[in-house]
Amino acid sequence: EIVLTQSPDTLSLSPGERAALSCRASQSISSSYLAWYQQKPGQAPRLLIYGALNRATGIPDRFSGSRSGADFTLTISRLEPEDFAVYYCQHYGFSPPMYTFGQGTKLEIK
Amino acid sequence: QVHLVQSGAEVKKPGSSVKISCKASGDNPTKYFISWVRQARGQGLEWLGRINPMTGRPDYAQKFQDRVTITADKSTTTAYVELSGLRLDDTAVYYCARDREEIVVLTPATREYHYMDVWGKGTTITVS
Repeated sequence: EIVLTQSPDTLSLSPGERAALSCRASQSISSSYLAWYQQKPGQAPRLLIYGALNRATGIPDRFSGSRSGADFTLTISRLEPEDFAVYYCQHYGFSPPMYTFGQGTKLEIK
Repeated sequence: QVHLVQSGAEVKKPGSSVKISCKASGDNPTKYFISWVRQARGQGLEWLGRINPMTGRPDYAQKFQDRVTITADKSTTTAYVELSGLRLDDTAVYYCARDREEIVVLTPATREYHYMDVWGKGTTITVS
């Protein structure tokens, strides 16, 4: 089973700064099966990025995804007040079909 | 525009069962899988399983294989998750989500994506 490890657990930044959130897979995985979600308190998760690189419909272009080897990164180029939330990465495995989530990174206002 | 409407909060006794519904509406609601994800207070997201509403075939997370049953009723475009043998640590918010498989034909390769793009508001299950 793939294990996703996100870092850091908590990231403290100010509005206007750049945020880089990391997700590392325990084994080599396809970029196609890696997604990122944002969750605010009391709300359901919201899809941000799928296929490691592709923004979901309606997601601002300050959000971007990238990959370098086993590390996947969600970058928020310039933080807005509404971006402070918890972010999860997710992997889809197909044999057998299953989803796993990272433990989450809390992005908080400094 | 697709919407997923979940049933209301419930309080259950340990050892009992709970069944949560998720009604899909909008564009071709039975075309996509429905996944179930739960979240205990202050904790992360945990996938329980999913169902193909067209075929009725479920897939389960190994951890929940013995206690979870996921079903779907095509006629009402409603998916269900039933969790039996409830324990105190089953207390959580349970979400349903549209589980999309998107195949994009790119020359020369074809890409296949899987993600959850529409979520219900969640159903709080308290075991006490």
